[in-house]
Amino acid sequence: DAGVIQSPRHEVTEMGQEVTLRCKPISGHNSLFWYRQTMMRGLELLIYFNNNVPIDDSGMPEDRFSAKMPNASFSTLKIQPSEPRDSAVYFCASGTSGTYAVEQYFGPGTRLTVT
Amino acid sequence: AQTVTQSQPEMSVQEAETVTLSCTYDTSESDYYLFWYKQPPSRQMILVIRQEAYKQQNATENRFSVNFQKAAKSFSLKISDSQLGDAAMYFCAYRGRGNEKLTFGTGTRLTIIP
Repeated sequence: DAGVIQSPRHEVTEMGQEVTLRCKPISGHNSLFWYRQTMMRGLELLIYFNNNVPIDDSGMPEDRFSAKMPNASFSTLKIQPSEPRDSAVYFCASGTSGTYAVEQYFGPGTRLTVT
Repeated sequence: AQTVTQSQPEMSVQEAETVTLSCTYDTSESDYYLFWYKQPPSRQMILVIRQEAYKQQNATENRFSVNFQKAAKSFSLKISDSQLGDAAMYFCAYRGRGNEKLTFGTGTRLTIIP
């Protein structure tokens, strides 16, 4: 079975540029999560969707960050304009809500470097 | 708000020995889930084990087991017969029953000494 797929795996961009991170959740999962991992703040939830609807976006740091989930098999996290402090590893995870299976399964992450 | 604390930034253990990683959490909820995730150098987050708060029996997955003390709000991970492949960052995580959000601790870096 394919796990959570993220692309790109690495992204290097210049300050001010738009960055789009992509995620394909595990087929059949109805919850999708975006996390950010930095040395300073550790792992923090940015936003999560349930059945393609954003449920909690309280972790989104600023209006420069936006996330969409147009269908059950695809989500994007966009940063516009990017800043050096956005450099981090961004993880996408998926799971099944409303069931006994409460685990979240993580993708390999996207390492973003903003210069 | 829930918080998760891992007080051991680094731990080391001899290969084949047993090591215990500590985790404490703070919550006002009575029903919740606890997890341990492993992050090797590849940075992939791998689920190791989970525990439901309503279960008194400690979860076990092969060489990995937990010591769940609900009253003390403690959730430690024991790794038996440590192997070189166990070297990684280990994160403790909390999830309330009515909320899908995972709250992570700061992690413990485990080194296996050959």
